[in-house]
Amino acid sequence: GAVVSQHPSWVICKSGTSVKIECRSLDFQATTMFWYRQFPKQSLMLMATSNEGSKATYEQGVEKDKFLINHASLTLSTLTVTSAHPEDSSFYICSAGGALNTEAFFGQGTRLTVV
Amino acid sequence: QKEVEQNSGPLSVPEGAIASLNCTYSDRGSQSFFWYRQYSGKSPELIMSIYSNGDKEDGRFTAQLNKASQYVSLLIRDSQPSDSATYLCAVNIRGQAGTALIFGKGTTLSVSS
Repeated sequence: GAVVSQHPSWVICKSGTSVKIECRSLDFQATTMFWYRQFPKQSLMLMATSNEGSKATYEQGVEKDKFLINHASLTLSTLTVTSAHPEDSSFYICSAGGALNTEAFFGQGTRLTVV
Repeated sequence: QKEVEQNSGPLSVPEGAIASLNCTYSDRGSQSFFWYRQYSGKSPELIMSIYSNGDKEDGRFTAQLNKASQYVSLLIRDSQPSDSATYLCAVNIRGQAGTALIFGKGTTLSVSS
């Protein structure tokens, strides 16, 4: 299957600082990537759809000014959590699908802890 | 609102038994269906995909789809302790490549040795 790499796998930051998470498709070009958030014992919740060369599409209730998404190339999307607060602590996961398939392949996830 | 429903469990089965995981979805127009396995603290791993009514078998796993009943299931034969994980049902509503999946909350499976 397709390989999606996410970095870092975990990060601890102070409240008020910003954190950038990278998501790369290693063996295919992804015009669209997705960012999910997962709280403990909860399912994956779609935050936003990242579109190469254009603005991201955010789900209802997700603050676009807080969660900045950049998809500058066909293999890289970044999510920046700005002015992080403890309630932003969560497991963030990116995914991408192949051009011909509807399934999704996931990055390794990033465990964000804001202290 | 598009929804995917799963029994959260936990579902407990002895080693060697068949584990049956169920999922229903609300959008009758849904096209693509997936089962993912997620270990604690890890990201989901694709187990099975199914697109048409009926059964699809892959090793110890069998996915079953019934679009009329809006129901998809996953059977795990000869369950092993290593199968203990959370199983997520996911639906691609549009059936188009590059579109997001809607996930259920997951069913936790525990296989005892």
